[in-house]
Amino acid sequence: QQPVQSPQAVILREGEDAVINCSSSKALYSVHWYRQKHGEAPVFLMILLKGGEQKGHDKISASFNEKKQQSSLYLTASQLSYSGTYFCGTVAYGGSQGNLIFGKGTKLSVKP
Amino acid sequence: NAGVMQNPRHLVRRRGQEARLRCSPMKGHSHVYWYRQLPEEGLKFMVYLQKENIIDESGMPKERFSAEFPKEGPSILRIQQVVRGDSAAYFCASSPVNQETQYFGPGTRLLVL
Repeated sequence: QQPVQSPQAVILREGEDAVINCSSSKALYSVHWYRQKHGEAPVFLMILLKGGEQKGHDKISASFNEKKQQSSLYLTASQLSYSGTYFCGTVAYGGSQGNLIFGKGTKLSVKP
Repeated sequence: NAGVMQNPRHLVRRRGQEARLRCSPMKGHSHVYWYRQLPEEGLKFMVYLQKENIIDESGMPKERFSAEFPKEGPSILRIQQVVRGDSAAYFCASSPVNQETQYFGPGTRLLVL
């Protein structure tokens, strides 16, 4: 079952913050976050496996709620290089462990 | 350490021809995944392979599409008798073991005329 991402699109000025959400109706085994720039391959950002987990590097971090049905990606003090489409990919309990089911993506545009 | 490699990067075919897309996983990775992406849309899982085995092909169309990952050489996604609706970007990803991070290649953009 495809996860729901919100918002669909967001426009920021450099230095502003953004939150992207990824929700599932069922508990998830894992959530994988990727960023894709136009015409390029998705680039791995981070993976979350445990309920209540929070991870981050530099100014991009993510959380996975206790029920493991929602993950949020936090972008702080955004930079122009953060522009792109962000996808969450999920693995459900009982699902094929190799089959990432991706949301429709959140398009982020950072303006100077 | 070279990343996931795909070739060709761009492929143009006429309706009815065959398309062969190749994927070489990262060194040390034995798991390969294929995804299809239509313009302005997300990635759709197609197939998951290990060396000489298809683990999950639940996302593959029943006809005209096949995939293999031989003992030696790259993984191949083969599309027979292509139709215009097959036009898309096809991405390959690899991981060292199952349930690990998948690293994506640059993709092959297939255009069917």
